[in-house]
This record gives sequence, C-alpha cells and structure tokens, in this order.
Amino acid sequence: NAGVTQTPKFQVLKTGQSMTLQCAQDMNHEYMSWYRQDPGMGLRLIHYSVGAGITDQGEVPNGYNVSRSTTEDFPLRLLSAAPSQTSVYFCASRKSGTQNTGELFFGEGSRLTVL
Amino acid sequence: AQTVTQSQPEMSVQEAETVTLSCTYDTSESDYYLFWYKQPPSRQMILVIRQEAYKQQNATENRFSVNFQKAAKSFSLKISDSQLGDAAMYFCAYRSYNTDKLIFGTGTRLQVFP
Repeated sequence: NAGVTQTPKFQVLKTGQSMTLQCAQDMNHEYMSWYRQDPGMGLRLIHYSVGAGITDQGEVPNGYNVSRSTTEDFPLRLLSAAPSQTSVYFCASRKSGTQNTGELFFGEGSRLTVL
Repeated sequence: AQTVTQSQPEMSVQEAETVTLSCTYDTSESDYYLFWYKQPPSRQMILVIRQEAYKQQNATENRFSVNFQKAAKSFSLKISDSQLGDAAMYFCAYRSYNTDKLIFGTGTRLQVFP
C-alpha cells in the first residue's frame, strides 16, 4: 500500500494563479482532510470529507475549495493564490465506523510558495 | 471550543537521558482521543502514541510513554533513553469522539545532543 500520496511536493505560484493539490489514498478510508502548517501555529484544518460527495469546512477554509467525487481522491483547489497561502499543506485520512481508532494517516506534505 | 496548548516551544536532551514534553488541553467533552505526533525534518507526520480518555492506564510504546491526567487535562509525553533519531517537532493533538476534527498544539521542537 502506498498510503496517502500528495502531489506536487513543491510548487511556486504567482499571486492570482490557480492550482490544485492532489491527494489520493489507497486504504479505503472514508474520512479525508486537508491541513496547513505554518510556523508557530501548528496544523490547522482547512476542509474535510466524511465520504464521497460530502465535504465540510474546517478552521481556515477561506480561499480553498474541495470536492470528493471518489473515496480515493480529495483534491484541494486554490482559485486565486495569495501570499498568505504560502504554507506546507498536508492531506490526511483515517478509518471510519467500528475500525476508527482516531488516528490520522498523513501524506508527506506539499510546500507551496506564493510570490 | 477545544484547544491544545504546548507551552514549551523548544526542549533539549542528551542522548540516553529522559525528557518530558508537556501538553494541556481544554474541553467539556468526556470522551475523546489524545495523540502525540512526531515530525522529523523529512516533514512526514508520524504517530508516536495515542490515548483514549476512558482508559485510566497510561499508554506506552517502547521508549515512549504518557502521563495522562484527565482531571487536570494534561497529557505529557516521556521519552526514555533518548536517541539522536528522536530529534523532531512533536505535536500534541486532541479529537472528540463526537467530531471529525483533530486539533493540534503548536508543537515542541526537541533537540538531542550526543
């Protein structure tokens, strides 16, 4: 199993450009989420999904869109990038239902720089 | 709203010694999970240890153990026989049984000296 795979690992954007961070998991996890990590602020939840077709906002959703058309994929879209979105982004998933141990499985992160 | 506080931005320890990282949290819930995650320079988030609030016994994973004080809302991580590979950022995290959101503290950077 590959686990949680994020692409790209590094990206530089100009202000106003759009891009999509891809996330895929092969563990049949129903729950998937996106976090951003900034110095001194820990990890903050952007959006999450409890299953295909269902998404919800986290702590810092502004400027980001998500969709969940399949169980495996959960892309994060930046429609008009801003310097404040410079960060490291993590996708994470976990089991649901009776197999839910609460533990999140993380991707390796994507470092995004917006100039 | 639930919060997680890590009051030690940086800690250091000598190889083979023991170090304790502090974490406190605030919640009105009675059923929840607590976690410690390690983030080495590779950036990968790795689960170190987890504790379910209903379990009175402190969780242990090899050299890592926790001191879970539910009434005090405290969840410290003890690393015994520290190794150079333990050097990393350590994040404390909380999740209620009733929500899907994992709430992180701001992290403690651990340095290990030979």
